[in-house]
Amino acid sequence: DQQVKQNSPSLSVQEGRISILNCDYTNSMFDYFLWYKKYPAEGPTFLISISSIKDKNEDGRFTVFLNKSAKHLSLHIVPSQPGDSAVYFCAASARTGANNLFFGTGTRLTVIP
Amino acid sequence: DVKVTQSSRYLVKRTGEKVFLECVQDMDHENMFWYRQDPGLGLRLIYFSYDVKMKEKGDIPEGYSVSREKKERFSLILESASTNQTSMYLCASKIVSGANYGYTFGSGTRLTVV
Repeated sequence: DQQVKQNSPSLSVQEGRISILNCDYTNSMFDYFLWYKKYPAEGPTFLISISSIKDKNEDGRFTVFLNKSAKHLSLHIVPSQPGDSAVYFCAASARTGANNLFFGTGTRLTVIP
Repeated sequence: DVKVTQSSRYLVKRTGEKVFLECVQDMDHENMFWYRQDPGLGLRLIYFSYDVKMKEKGDIPEGYSVSREKKERFSLILESASTNQTSMYLCASKIVSGANYGYTFGSGTRLTVV
């Protein structure tokens, strides 16, 4: 049973515009959320995270928004650049007890020059 | 800088062969993980380890085993490789305590079973 879902397998955006990647989760015990970025033939790299005590976290061009009541988070990239083209994985963790992250299926972002 | 090293980037093995995928981390992390990544299925957990000689099954352990004899090394073993085990294999490690619950991943091993 997929506890973290990314319903859009792919997204194409023009360079300079905003990219919005969405993620939904089902487990209310999740209290820490992360986004990873993955290029082909490389391992995922950490991009940005958010704790459940916040509803927004910003790092340069990347902002993650968390809506706990809707069990939804999103990653905004603005402005999008061609180098942002990659697969983005959403992940969720419960701080107590769990020793692993639950990953979504990923969204392939293509930024068109 | 934190490092997780997977011994091979690309491997081609024959059906029925025993395959060893090696992973080493230099961060003194307690927890280590093996995932496989397949298109449309995301990252699926095969096995993880809390500590030396400790292991737990993940979501898809069938056909795999693991070994953790030293804290820094976590090996994934395909006892008898099959074509449906053709995949990208990713190793990760994580420190137990601390505010950041993120993982550090290796570069991955692309395994093809023919």
